[in-house]
Amino acid sequence: EAGVAQSPRYKIIEKRQSVAFWCNPISGHATLYWYQQILGQGPKLLIQFQNNGVVDDSQLPKDRFSAERLKGVDSTLKIQPAKLEDSAVYLCASSPAVGGLETQYFGPGTRLLVL
Amino acid sequence: AQSVTQLDSHVSVSEGTPVLLRCNYSSSYSPSLFWYVQHPNKGLQLLLKYTSAATLVKGINGFEAEFKKSETSFHLTKPSAHMSDAAEYFCVVRGQTGANNLFFGTGTRLTVIP
Repeated sequence: EAGVAQSPRYKIIEKRQSVAFWCNPISGHATLYWYQQILGQGPKLLIQFQNNGVVDDSQLPKDRFSAERLKGVDSTLKIQPAKLEDSAVYLCASSPAVGGLETQYFGPGTRLLVL
Repeated sequence: AQSVTQLDSHVSVSEGTPVLLRCNYSSSYSPSLFWYVQHPNKGLQLLLKYTSAATLVKGINGFEAEFKKSETSFHLTKPSAHMSDAAEYFCVVRGQTGANNLFFGTGTRLTVIP
């Protein structure tokens, strides 16, 4: 079974620029998560989707971050405009069930550097 | 509120010696606890999980963890370290019942000395 796919793997931008990350979850997984992992810290949940609806976006900085999962499959996370403190690894994860407490499977992440 | 504290940011062991990575949790309810491993440039991988069944949980690659309610601990152990075990390890607690959000510790970097 193919794992969670993310692209790009690395991105370098200047502050105030925009950037977008893409995630394709494991086939059939209903729930998709985006995490931010700052260097030296554990991942922090940004947003959780169940199919194409948002379950939890309480930690998403909505003034600059947005995410969508239009068809309930793949998802994009956008930052506009980026700040220096957005430098981090952005992880996507998926889990099988709707409303269930299932194991989350993580992708390799996108490493973002904001200069 | 729920959280985990990983007591060591870095642990160094010799190959073939036991591994102990320490984790304490804080939760107002019966928690679900996990250990994830992160190898360089690879995704997080689930090692094991505790969901209120047996208190001693066996995971992949010879790792195990014991849930101790009296000590609010969930330490990760392995009898004999292998070079391939060198990685970052995260202790994780799940959010409140009904949500599947995870709260990660700050991580413990394991170094294995040949």
